[in-house]
Amino acid sequence: KAGVTQTPRYLIKTRGQQVTLSCSPISGHRSVSWYQQTPGQGLQFLFEYFSETQRNKGNFPGRFSGRQFSNSRSEMNVSTLELGDSALYLCASSLTGTGGEPYNEQFFGPGTRLTVL
Amino acid sequence: QQQVKQSPQSLIVQKGGIPIINCAYENTAFDYFPWYQQFPGKGPALLIAIRPDVSEKKEGRFTISFNKSAKQFSLHIMDSQPGDSATYFCAAKRRNAGGTSYGKLTFGQGTILTVHP
Repeated sequence: KAGVTQTPRYLIKTRGQQVTLSCSPISGHRSVSWYQQTPGQGLQFLFEYFSETQRNKGNFPGRFSGRQFSNSRSEMNVSTLELGDSALYLCASSLTGTGGEPYNEQFFGPGTRLTVL
Repeated sequence: QQQVKQSPQSLIVQKGGIPIINCAYENTAFDYFPWYQQFPGKGPALLIAIRPDVSEKKEGRFTISFNKSAKQFSLHIMDSQPGDSATYFCAAKRRNAGGTSYGKLTFGQGTILTVHP
């Protein structure tokens, strides 16, 4: 079974631009979470999606947004990029129970390396 | 507020040694504690995980020890190999109790492990 895939793998943008990152979860996984990884702050939770709905959100400004499609694929968008947004953006997927609650095990993709100049 | 504290930041051992990485948490609502292994240029890979009703779990050369009263858990790598050289992250997740708990893994700051041949 294919793992979590993320595109693009690398991206270079300038301040003020916006960016969209894409994530395809493992087949059958319907919960998708996004994380930001930086050397200074480590791995931080951005948001979680299930059934095209954002159910949980981390402590990030409104410039960070996301969505999920009916096939469980997810995108995240960062508007008005700042230098501090340079990071590895990771997507993780998990199975869900009959009530939609995500299983604990999360499986990560390789990430998208975003550099803001 | 850092809710999961990980130590040491870096660790160097010889092949065959037993590196030990420690984590401490504060939130008693956490009830799932995974360890992830990350190689350069890759996303974190789930290594092993434990629930607080178990004091120890072993999978291959990897063992988690869990001390619920002290709110601490640790990863032991038996017979370490140069191929184990990577960054290791502990994490914690709250029990599912509605949307605000979904998906969010809280990570430690990471430990860079180097195993010399």
